[in-house]
Amino acid sequence: EVQLVESGGGLVQPGGSLRLSCAASGFTFSTYEMNWVRQAPGKGLEWVSYISSSGSTIYYADSVKGRFTISRDNAKNSLYLQMNSLRAEDTAVYYCARDTHSTDYGDYYFDYWGQGTLVTVSS
Amino acid sequence: SSELTQDPAVSVALGQTVRITCQGDSLRSYYASWYQQKPGQAPVLVIYGKNNRPSGIPDRFSGSSSGNTASLTITGAQAEDEADYYCNSRDSSGNLVVFGGGTKLTVL
Repeated sequence: EVQLVESGGGLVQPGGSLRLSCAASGFTFSTYEMNWVRQAPGKGLEWVSYISSSGSTIYYADSVKGRFTISRDNAKNSLYLQMNSLRAEDTAVYYCARDTHSTDYGDYYFDYWGQGTLVTVSS
Repeated sequence: SSELTQDPAVSVALGQTVRITCQGDSLRSYYASWYQQKPGQAPVLVIYGKNNRPSGIPDRFSGSSSGNTASLTITGAQAEDEADYYCNSRDSSGNLVVFGGGTKLTVL
């Protein structure tokens, strides 16, 4: 059974840092691309960052570029999100999601999601 | 463009058919995938690709696409289908990911 379990959320002051983790199990983690997606209270889903299976290709949403760093450790089946210079608007539930694509061109989707971890940025 | 547009809210009578749409330039090149999210829960994939359902998703859920518009159709909506629905795809560059703003479905 595929499982994604996030951890590391909590209360942090503006300007502070936090590191989120996502522990993966039930599949060959090293062969899948991964993403972080967040959801502010009462708001919609917002994509945050992508990392390729090897970690060699990384993309960020403009809203977090330069402040957040995505990484992975395939030996530990883990995905990470280092969040620095946190702002009130970063307050959200953060989900990790597995990225899958079929053989059809342009067919990409997030087939498994974790339950999320809440990050609250407040003084 | 890197945006996907959804109607904020849609309602349907119990047992009737409802279509939820998602518009964006990237949908001319990339399929939309659709996610159902109930309060306090993580999103769940319901439709991907041309019209594919993951295991466990009822066959009343279907997907279609034309031009820059993707649609999620629920044929014979049930009370348990009341939820928020989000579309997503890659953006036009193929590198970034975009989500629609979500559609709140109410089953009357």
